[in-house]
Amino acid sequence: QKEVEQDPGPLSVPEGAIVSLNCTYSNSAFQYFMWYRQYSRKGPELLMYTYSSGNKEDGRFTAQVDKSSKYISLFIRDSQPSDSATYLCAMSSRSSNTGKLIFGQGTTLQVKP
Amino acid sequence: EAGVTQFPSHSVIEKGQTVTLRCDPISGHDNLYWYRRVMGKEIKFLLHFVKESKQDESGMPNNRFLAERTGGTYSTLKVQPAELEDSGVYFCASSQDLIGTEAFFGQGTRLTVV
Repeated sequence: QKEVEQDPGPLSVPEGAIVSLNCTYSNSAFQYFMWYRQYSRKGPELLMYTYSSGNKEDGRFTAQVDKSSKYISLFIRDSQPSDSATYLCAMSSRSSNTGKLIFGQGTTLQVKP
Repeated sequence: EAGVTQFPSHSVIEKGQTVTLRCDPISGHDNLYWYRRVMGKEIKFLLHFVKESKQDESGMPNNRFLAERTGGTYSTLKVQPAELEDSGVYFCASSQDLIGTEAFFGQGTRLTVV
């Protein structure tokens, strides 16, 4: 069983839709939860990270963490064609004393004009 | 400010040959990481440097892979001899913090072993 599960999609939505991207995980030691965006042939770009449970908002993006369910989400409001990319969740545990990130497989998102 | 830079962007080598990948982290970032993504799989951790020391090399697949970071600046990842299963995209990342919550990634080196 993978430590982090993420539906690879693809997910196709019309412009302006609210997008919900999700990951589940099995390791209860994870405390830091990151969302990356990756365009084709580019490296992952950090969108935001959260520590422990709760919500975090940055512009059109909202990250949610539910540690009790081992479930994290990224919501994109008013989606734009420029949001079309692969979205990767990643997690880490401070107790491991390393910057090792565990990634999900990534969800490919297409926003159609 | 320059981001994380990787060289080359693409490399095609024959099985049994040697390849060296280079990563220049963001200036001032003590923490440097190597990751790899093989086709159809998730990005996987290889190792973590703090300055010139290996903090965590638990992800290195075998002794054909050698990573160095002399002087704590740029890093190299050598694969010798390369095998077909080493094909993939190798990413380098750097961060100021030890736990990598704000790691910046390079564009990756696409390695193809034929």
